[in-house]
Amino acid sequence: SQELEQSPQSLIVQEGKNLTINCTSSKTLYGLYWYKQKYGEGLIFLMMLQKGGEEKSHEKITAKLDEKKQQSSLHITASQPSHAGIYLCGASLGGNQFYFGTGTSLTVIP
Amino acid sequence: AAGVIQSPRHLIKEKRETATLKCYPIPRHDTVYWYQQGPGQDPQFLISFYEKMQSDKGSIPDRFSAQQFSDYHSELNMSSLELGDSALYFCASSPRTSGLGEQFFGPGTRLTVL
Repeated sequence: SQELEQSPQSLIVQEGKNLTINCTSSKTLYGLYWYKQKYGEGLIFLMMLQKGGEEKSHEKITAKLDEKKQQSSLHITASQPSHAGIYLCGASLGGNQFYFGTGTSLTVIP
Repeated sequence: AAGVIQSPRHLIKEKRETATLKCYPIPRHDTVYWYQQGPGQDPQFLISFYEKMQSDKGSIPDRFSAQQFSDYHSELNMSSLELGDSALYFCASSPRTSGLGEQFFGPGTRLTVL
């Protein structure tokens, strides 16, 4: 979807390194969601952010939504091979339709 | 905790055949969404239902139809299957709140059209 742009498109990091994935919209986000997908498998919901400036953490993953509610970042601390997969942001941009970001493929080298 | 259930998990059909995919939302979730994810592509929104009524429609082909039943489960019916329909079909459910709520995804049904 071009409504939500993610960067980078792919990322290869050494185990133990920190990394950040960004999700940007040209429109105000009414709710921003982060998902992880293992190759060829289902989507796993990670976090939802709704308020400008909101930040949530779960284990080693932290997601933030900027004050303008147009950009979100997902930060992984001390990456592990289990973090590998495709990370997708998703959002409602108004109305009842839901859009996914362009995806970021993460590879963690042991 | 109960999750979204999709059946079947895998389906193989031939061209021009029909297929029915089923989705059982999390209990007390009244909204169901269907998505299609082709090989190497992002998920695409197909259609959604709230309280058994279609609430929004995305890029769903005319050959496809869907409905939500009184027990809130949903079925995606696909007719005249084409090779390009081979994809992973996700169903998600959410409780209706003031806005678009948190979506919980099922494991997906992998459809292969030969």
